[in-house]
Amino acid sequence: DTAVSQTPKYLVTQMGNDKSIKCEQNLGHDTMYWYKQDSKKFLKIMFSYNNKELIINETVPNRFSPKSPDKAHLNLHINSLELGDSAVYFCASSLGLGGYEQYFGPGTRLTVT
Amino acid sequence: GQNIDQPTEMTATEGAIVQINCTYQTSGFNGLFWYQQHAGEAPTFLSYNVLDGLEEKGRFSSFLSRSKGYSYLLLKELQMKDSASYLCAESGNTPLVFGKGTRLSVIA
Repeated sequence: DTAVSQTPKYLVTQMGNDKSIKCEQNLGHDTMYWYKQDSKKFLKIMFSYNNKELIINETVPNRFSPKSPDKAHLNLHINSLELGDSAVYFCASSLGLGGYEQYFGPGTRLTVT
Repeated sequence: GQNIDQPTEMTATEGAIVQINCTYQTSGFNGLFWYQQHAGEAPTFLSYNVLDGLEEKGRFSSFLSRSKGYSYLLLKELQMKDSASYLCAESGNTPLVFGKGTRLSVIA
């Protein structure tokens, strides 16, 4: 199926650990994103990549490092996890930047204990 | 989300019509998205308005007034499955900025 997929769907880990979330899209899109949705359901952009290049890097702690090995993949690595990192992380993709519909992955629910 | 304002919660009856409003900052504005998000799921695209006016898509319609920085999503013939959060998002010079969402509860 054509889609945006993320792994894992659930991630429970302890403070101080390092973890990665993977994202892949097979829609042939040029642009990919990472969003964080907190407990209040506020969806906020973290990063955006266009053709493997970082375009947008919002105010995010440098413990978060995105990596795009190719246009179809955008992974998110998080170092030294903190309690406040607990949230749902969504990957998304679109044809390009600006006014293009974004297709979201199913989300990764991260719980830091 | 600080530039975008929408009601936090709304309740409506099955079969009725509901209008969800959204106001946004007009500087650098390009277009206005509406997304639907069911609990525990990913947001899915509903509509994108660039020009003023109403765009209809089945039971859902979206309206935009660029000069007023105002949009609304109109849902007709409400069904129980329409219970969800509805997010408006502004496209412009900055990355897509989402509002905090309106949680709609459809009751029998």
